[in-house]
Amino acid sequence: ETGVTQTPRHLVMGMTNKKSLKCEQHLGHNAMYWYKQSAKKPLELMFVYNFKEQTENNSVPSRFSPECPNSSHLFLHLHTLQPEDSALYLCASSQDRSGGAVSTDTQYFGPGTRLTVL
Amino acid sequence: QKEVEQDPGPLSVPEGAIVSLNCTYSNSAFQYFMWYRQYSRKGPELLMYTYSSGNKEDGRFTAQVDKSSKYISLFIRDSQPSDSATYLCAGAETSGSRLTFGEGTQLTVNP
Repeated sequence: ETGVTQTPRHLVMGMTNKKSLKCEQHLGHNAMYWYKQSAKKPLELMFVYNFKEQTENNSVPSRFSPECPNSSHLFLHLHTLQPEDSALYLCASSQDRSGGAVSTDTQYFGPGTRLTVL
Repeated sequence: QKEVEQDPGPLSVPEGAIVSLNCTYSNSAFQYFMWYRQYSRKGPELLMYTYSSGNKEDGRFTAQVDKSSKYISLFIRDSQPSDSATYLCAGAETSGSRLTFGEGTQLTVNP
């Protein structure tokens, strides 16, 4: 186990639903990330939080809304999604020593939430 | 053009074979290079991490970076069925910049 947990592991939702993805890290890290992984596409960085502050939003549509109440927890709130948003959503954490937006210190990934939008 | 290009495969080899996985990149500012391994239904895990050009060896795995040709390689010696996974390469400009991933190569090692 990597010390990063994600719930739920699978989620099916309609386009009008509102749901939330949860990520928790037990590694004492100070940086947390949301990535989107679609078939046949590279991992896409969505959001970065460093010491609970959002330091990067990679032009993500507003129907995705992140929340980081503390350094151990990260949420992704979903509403009015589209079928093309179906993907594996991965959370990661790292110990950012650089003070920059993203750390190349080892990022530990959770198992992901497989999201299907009908 | 993708910043990091990686042949998605799938690649299938017999047990014991030497596997060569490769990526090319276009951003000449990349200095940090990583290989992640992702098993089915799991998140990626860091396998190898190299800085600038050169080789790095860890057990059966060797990572190689050639910045002059913008080419990244991962070699797996004596491949095992447990090596069956998707391998993702990634590059970054500095220790404080984003990781840019390739789309991954799916590898199957047959017993």
